Amino acid sequence: ETGVTQTPRHLVMGMTNKKSLKCEQHLGHNAMYWYKQSAKKPLELMFVYSLEERVENNSVPSRFSPECPNSSHLFLHLHTLQPEDSALYLCASSQGFGGSGANVLTFGAGSRLTVL
Amino acid sequence: QQPVQSPQAVILREGEDAVINCSSSKALYSVHWYRQKHGEAPVFLMILLKGGEQKGHDKISASFNEKKQQSSLYLTASQLSYSGTYFCGTDFGNEKLTFGTGTRLTIIP
Repeated sequence: ETGVTQTPRHLVMGMTNKKSLKCEQHLGHNAMYWYKQSAKKPLELMFVYSLEERVENNSVPSRFSPECPNSSHLFLHLHTLQPEDSALYLCASSQGFGGSGANVLTFGAGSRLTVL
Repeated sequence: QQPVQSPQAVILREGEDAVINCSSSKALYSVHWYRQKHGEAPVFLMILLKGGEQKGHDKISASFNEKKQQSSLYLTASQLSYSGTYFCGTDFGNEKLTFGTGTRLTIIP
């Protein structure tokens, strides 16, 4: 496995379900991110973890709960979501966060979430 | 403040040139360019740092005008493989990229 891998690629859930999205990076990077991509909207940064510590929480509703158990894995736990949360959720990683400003992102292919 | 990209969409014949612009209302530290093909991950193309020079990769190049707070992506002699949505990401010096809404590029034979 190389790069950034996201599972599942597609997820359909009801508003009362609890599910999780998983992201794994094989690049030896120290920072990981969750982005939300909705149609006709720019990529929205949700969370940033640097060295397993959350350094950014971009006013995301509490029904989204991130977890970073180590520098290679990132989860997004979902519960009691709303239909407007349907979107493509992209995970990304970068060598570091903070410093020179050259935090080039490597993205996964995304998890397409549909909330019924 | 998200950057503004223009045009929103463009259709080109193979071999034609295109320019995609990314403008910011705030002072920029760096600009990143990514391309996303349908159903795939966005892929990094290049980064332009404040005070840096124009970058290029094969027939895709970019410039960064600090006075105008604007970056432009130039695609020369476009190929079918250039099709996709191009995003600029702007960094205001806080390490967080703010992305534009993207420019959808379609190349037809």
